[in-house]
Amino acid sequence: AQSVTQLDSQVPVFEEAPVELRCNYSSSVSVYLFWYVQYPNQGLQLLLKYLSGSTLVESINGFEAEFNKSQTSFHLRKPSVHISDTAEYFCAVTRSNSGYALNFGKGTSLLVTP
Amino acid sequence: DTGVSQDPRHKITKRGQNVTFRCDPISEHNRLYWYRQTLGQGPEFLTYFQNEAQLEKSRLLSDRFSAERPKGSFSTLEIQRTEQGDSAMYLCASSLQLDTQYFGPGTRLTVL
Repeated sequence: AQSVTQLDSQVPVFEEAPVELRCNYSSSVSVYLFWYVQYPNQGLQLLLKYLSGSTLVESINGFEAEFNKSQTSFHLRKPSVHISDTAEYFCAVTRSNSGYALNFGKGTSLLVTP
Repeated sequence: DTGVSQDPRHKITKRGQNVTFRCDPISEHNRLYWYRQTLGQGPEFLTYFQNEAQLEKSRLLSDRFSAERPKGSFSTLEIQRTEQGDSAMYLCASSLQLDTQYFGPGTRLTVL
C-alpha cells in the first residue's frame, strides 16, 4: 500500500518570502500525485496534480510541484507567498491501477504573516 | 455545476444513536467516495462507489457503518450505535475522470 509523509506540520513564513512544503510517498506501483488546499472554514480544493508527462506542474495561483521519482517526492513550492495563501495543504497519492481512492498525508499548516 | 453538497453540515448526537448523512455529487459524476477526517489528520478513505456498485471498503469501515448509492446518484452513509470515537468530519467526493476528486464541505459529527 502507498503512504504519504508530509515532513512539516507547520510552516510559518513572512509575506513575499519563498516557501517549500515537503511531501514524500512510498509505493511499489505507478502513482498519481495531488496537492489539495483547505482554506479556513472551507472544503478541500484541488491545487495541482501530476498524472504523467512533464514532472513540473503548476497551479493558477503561482504554486508549482515537481515529481521526483528517484527521491519519491512531490514538494510544493511558491517563490513569493501572500497572506491569502494561509491554509492547510494536503499531499495525496493514488495508485494508477485501483479505484483511485486517495491516501492523504497529515497536512502542513502554512501561516503567512506580514 | 453546483459542486458536491452534503447534508447536514453539523450533527450532534448521543452515544448509541444512529445517524445518517447524505451526499449529492456533481451531476454525471459516476464515482463517489467517502472519507473521514479527524483533528490534525488528513482525510482517510472509507469507501467508494462506481455508479451504484460499492467497489472498495476500507478496514476503517466497521460493521456499524453502511453506505449506499441506490440509483447511482446521491449516497448515504449510516453509522449505527455511534461511539465517541466516531466524532469526525465526514467528507464526500465525486469524480468523472479517473483522477480529480471534487470534495463537498463535509458533515461534522459530534458524539456526546
